[in-house]
Amino acid sequence: ILNVEQSPQSLHVQEGDSTNFTCSFPSSNFYALHWYRWETAKSPEALFVMTLNGDEKKKGRISATLNTKEGYSYLYIKGSQPEDSATYLCASSNSGYALNFGKGTSLLVTP
Amino acid sequence: AAGVIQSPRHLIKEKRETATLKCYPIPRHDTVYWYQQGPGQDPQFLISFYEKMQSDKGSIPDRFSAQQFSDYHSELNMSSLELGDSALYFCASSARLGLTSSYEQYFGPGTRLTVT
Repeated sequence: ILNVEQSPQSLHVQEGDSTNFTCSFPSSNFYALHWYRWETAKSPEALFVMTLNGDEKKKGRISATLNTKEGYSYLYIKGSQPEDSATYLCASSNSGYALNFGKGTSLLVTP
Repeated sequence: AAGVIQSPRHLIKEKRETATLKCYPIPRHDTVYWYQQGPGQDPQFLISFYEKMQSDKGSIPDRFSAQQFSDYHSELNMSSLELGDSALYFCASSARLGLTSSYEQYFGPGTRLTVT
């Protein structure tokens, strides 16, 4: 994998559903994996930064895991709420620190 | 808490004109990154500065230049603007030394540049 890839591109779930997204990234020269939450007309909001293989992070109903050996990360949202509707961006960085972004997963949660 | 400030928020220029975008990082952050996001595209890294020196370079066109000043704010100068330069330009800051994680980048609200 040369670029950061996210799937699915978009997702539509009902309030209360749990969901997850996938981020695949180059595993060579890996430094850190970032998840951002981005709402329209706002700046991306940092959710998690993970660096170690097997890392798991949690913030409220949102959690993320990291597998650096195979180059993927999962973001989970438990009991989705309408306010979770946003684009979720994944980005990897190598030792140069600059972020290499995926195209994002657009989540819509309807009541 | 103070966030990354970008100015202007919106800018309209004509082809072949020049534009200057400004970024004011979070206080005590020493690193600034510039990203460009074209319509329907993912953000692309342009350039970064650490302690006023260029630290990394991405897909920044030769028509663009940037610098970081002694107060750590940064400016992105864009000359001979083309229609394809129309995009959202994000600035992010981080602290490689000091109180916060060296991994996290905090984004500004972006400057939307429209070239007509």
